[in-house]
Amino acid sequence: AQSVTQLGSHVSVSEGALVLLRCNYSSSVPPYLFWYVQYPNQGLQLLLKYTSAATLVKGINGFEAEFKKSETSFHLTKPSAHMRDAAEYFCAVSDNSWGKLQFGAGTQVVVTP
Amino acid sequence: ETGVTQSPTHLIKTRGQQVTLRCSSQSGHNTVSWYQQALGQGPQFIFQYYREEENGRGNFPPRFSGLQFPNYSSELNVNALELDDSALYLCASSKGTGGGTDTQYFGPGTRLTVL
Repeated sequence: AQSVTQLGSHVSVSEGALVLLRCNYSSSVPPYLFWYVQYPNQGLQLLLKYTSAATLVKGINGFEAEFKKSETSFHLTKPSAHMRDAAEYFCAVSDNSWGKLQFGAGTQVVVTP
Repeated sequence: ETGVTQSPTHLIKTRGQQVTLRCSSQSGHNTVSWYQQALGQGPQFIFQYYREEENGRGNFPPRFSGLQFPNYSSELNVNALELDDSALYLCASSKGTGGGTDTQYFGPGTRLTVL
């Protein structure tokens, strides 16, 4: 069985500061990992995905994530936070078949001026 | 290119009633997955449909059922509604290549409230 754990249900960052959201996975097979963002009252939007091609994955809106097998982690970062980054972020792992996703509990990001 | 659409956006039902939620997949996609997102939680996989056949199911009781139509749109039906069914129901479509890298594109969701 595969699962992900997101450390920290809420993160507060200052505008311009580094955003770091933590995700650890558990998988019996090489995982496919995803980060999605959810803005208030909206569905989920894909930020980036790891498919074993490269360990450092660049996504939209300046986000990137690094796959570290030794640490079973896939943390999401952005060098400089913007007010528009305020949203909920979900890490997810695919079951390696048909892309069915197992999501973490989410991390709510608040950006302060 | 039209994205994933869902209807209705909001719905209020009473316990014991039945509900049908609808989803239109993105152009070129033949696979639809449904997820339930309770307040403050991550989405939970309900089931997936590929070319009108159920293609996997999560840990949900049989009163959750679905359909996929020849145009790849889909319905989620929930019978005998319970208070815990109150949630945001998300539909996602994908190209259906069969691999774990299939990207799922999500609709805006239907907010179901059960009173």
